[in-house]
Amino acid sequence: TQLLEQSPQFLSIQEGENLTVYCNSSSVFSSLQWYRQEPGEGPVLLVTVVTGGEVKKLKRLTFQFGDARKDSSLHITAAQPGDTGLYLCAGVRFGKIIFGKGTRLHILP
Amino acid sequence: NAGVTQTPKFQVLKTGQSMTLQCAQDMNHNSMYWYRQDPGMGLRLIYYSASEGTTDKGEVPNGYNVSRLNKREFSLRLESAAPSQTSVYFCASSVSGTSGGPYNEQFFGPGTRLTVL
Repeated sequence: TQLLEQSPQFLSIQEGENLTVYCNSSSVFSSLQWYRQEPGEGPVLLVTVVTGGEVKKLKRLTFQFGDARKDSSLHITAAQPGDTGLYLCAGVRFGKIIFGKGTRLHILP
Repeated sequence: NAGVTQTPKFQVLKTGQSMTLQCAQDMNHNSMYWYRQDPGMGLRLIYYSASEGTTDKGEVPNGYNVSRLNKREFSLRLESAAPSQTSVYFCASSVSGTSGGPYNEQFFGPGTRLTVL
């Protein structure tokens, strides 16, 4: 059973466009993390959200934790080629961390 | 600070051979983890060590053993490699594995790409 569903699995868009990726679950998490992974490297933490309804911004990236702490979204404004990579969400539940399968994002110049 | 380091970066084994993947962190973290990453499967936890002296099974422990040598080092051993163990292996560490909030934030190494023929 996949506790964390990420959508879409793949996304290819033109530079300058906006996009949103989603991380959904039927389970409640105490916190949720987003990571970005570039080819040949390990994932790197972007942000952690803890409170239901919390919104965090990292330059052009906006992260939101759902009110019920079951889902999260990542919105990128004016995407750039440097945003290309695999985006992973990870939920913390009962002290353990569970990863989604990721959204592979490709930004075309 | 080097963060999390892993050796080797690449390895090719024949079925039945054994090997140990090494991992070390210099961030004074308490918890360490081993994951495998396969296409379409995401990151799956193999084993973890919540603190020095303890280890626990994760989602896919069969065919693997681990040793938490000290606070810095956590090794993963394949006793008799099988083609199904072809994967990219990541080691990670966190301040603590037993709390929510920021403590489970994972710091990953660069990975070991293992092929079993």
